[in-house]
Amino acid sequence: GAGVSQTPSNKVTEKGKYVELRCDPISGHTALYWYRQSLGQGPEFLIYFQGTGAADDSGLPNDRFFAVRPEGSVSTLKIQRTERGDSAVYLCASSLRGGSGNTIYFGEGSWLTVV
Amino acid sequence: AQTVTQSQPEMSVQEAETVTLSCTYDTSESDYYLFWYKQPPSRQMILVIRQEAYKQQNATENRFSVNFQKAAKSFSLKISDSQLGDAAMYFCAYRGDPNYGGSQGNLIFGKGTKLSVKP
Repeated sequence: GAGVSQTPSNKVTEKGKYVELRCDPISGHTALYWYRQSLGQGPEFLIYFQGTGAADDSGLPNDRFFAVRPEGSVSTLKIQRTERGDSAVYLCASSLRGGSGNTIYFGEGSWLTVV
Repeated sequence: AQTVTQSQPEMSVQEAETVTLSCTYDTSESDYYLFWYKQPPSRQMILVIRQEAYKQQNATENRFSVNFQKAAKSFSLKISDSQLGDAAMYFCAYRGDPNYGGSQGNLIFGKGTKLSVKP
């Protein structure tokens, strides 16, 4: 597609449930990022993929959060045993390569609400 | 660790006037990149302008320009001839350069400034 595509756009789930958020990056982009944006805050880094491997997962808050990118394109962010504090917009982004000089392009995010 | 501070939670400007949004950052790295992103209600972060720290010349992109003061670690955004479509959240962001021993190169954002444009 022309831009970074994220599904679902909105997701409401019950506390304790499992959630998957999908990201389809810009075609040809090797680097993919996940960020989390809480209300009234700037986005916070979660994880960065270069190709199929997670090059930096230092932003994942705990072991309930996991992300994969098995074929180096689409990525899935997985959240187990969701908590109310996980409610946020989850932004996916991609860049042509991983270097700092490459522009990062964002999707419109998946708004997760845990009730 | 690097930090980015935006001290203005909200700003307002009259249509066609000029407004400046402030941003300061803290880092011990010598080479890095700075960005301003715009986030309208659609939630998509849109790149407005970028600045490489090794370049002394301030970046300009049409009505948008920056005042980059490396020694003061300041990176303000000036919007000239403001338009109604400029109304949005604006985020300042920092990215280190791993080629020079910096961080992994991921974006560190400030808390944002909400810009309103009055007709």
